[in-house]
Amino acid sequence: EPEVTQTPSHQVTQMGQEVILRCVPISNHLYFYWYRQILGQKVEFLVSFYNNEISEKSEIFDDQFSVERPDGSNFTLKIRSTKLEDSAMYFCASSTFSGNTIYFGEGSWLTVV
Amino acid sequence: SQQGEEDPQALSIQEGENATMNCSYKTSINNLQWYRQNSGRGLVHLILIRSNEREKHSGRLRVTLDTSKKSSSLLITASRAADTASYFCATDLTGNQFYFGTGTSLTVIP
Repeated sequence: EPEVTQTPSHQVTQMGQEVILRCVPISNHLYFYWYRQILGQKVEFLVSFYNNEISEKSEIFDDQFSVERPDGSNFTLKIRSTKLEDSAMYFCASSTFSGNTIYFGEGSWLTVV
Repeated sequence: SQQGEEDPQALSIQEGENATMNCSYKTSINNLQWYRQNSGRGLVHLILIRSNEREKHSGRLRVTLDTSKKSSSLLITASRAADTASYFCATDLTGNQFYFGTGTSLTVIP
């Protein structure tokens, strides 16, 4: 069964460093998302992406964050200058259409020290 | 806030019993999805129910939606130890942005 894959599964980075989290959405999906979950807290929406542009973003998704679809298969989340509070599990997700089932990857643990 | 809120926060049952989890939300939705999350793992999609649907089944899962009460329930019948996980409801407003609740932590005791 097709699945969303994410790399790395875990990354430790120093505060102030740039981080890129990578995702390969399900191949026939058109909508892509990033969510995050701080340890012990709820899953929070960051951004949705369609037709090579951001369709919606939350207040969390500030200027330090950016997303890109550099080729036909990858979808990346970049954090420009990481802060301690960016430590979280970051989930990539995709769906065929807006409002359809959203399928999540296994997540990338980001630890900022 | 649009966020769904699940209750109870934690539920512990014996294997074979049924587990019922509830979700309440605040504003009108297009659809509602239920997910399962094992500790430290990704979110596994269980069921999507649209605002014009009242009930859906998938295997041992039964989901209801009452838009007048802005609530949904997830019933797991004949629970198994492998059902131990956190269960979340996610509600949308626009179709692109889903709001997750804090989840119900289910423990099924063998």
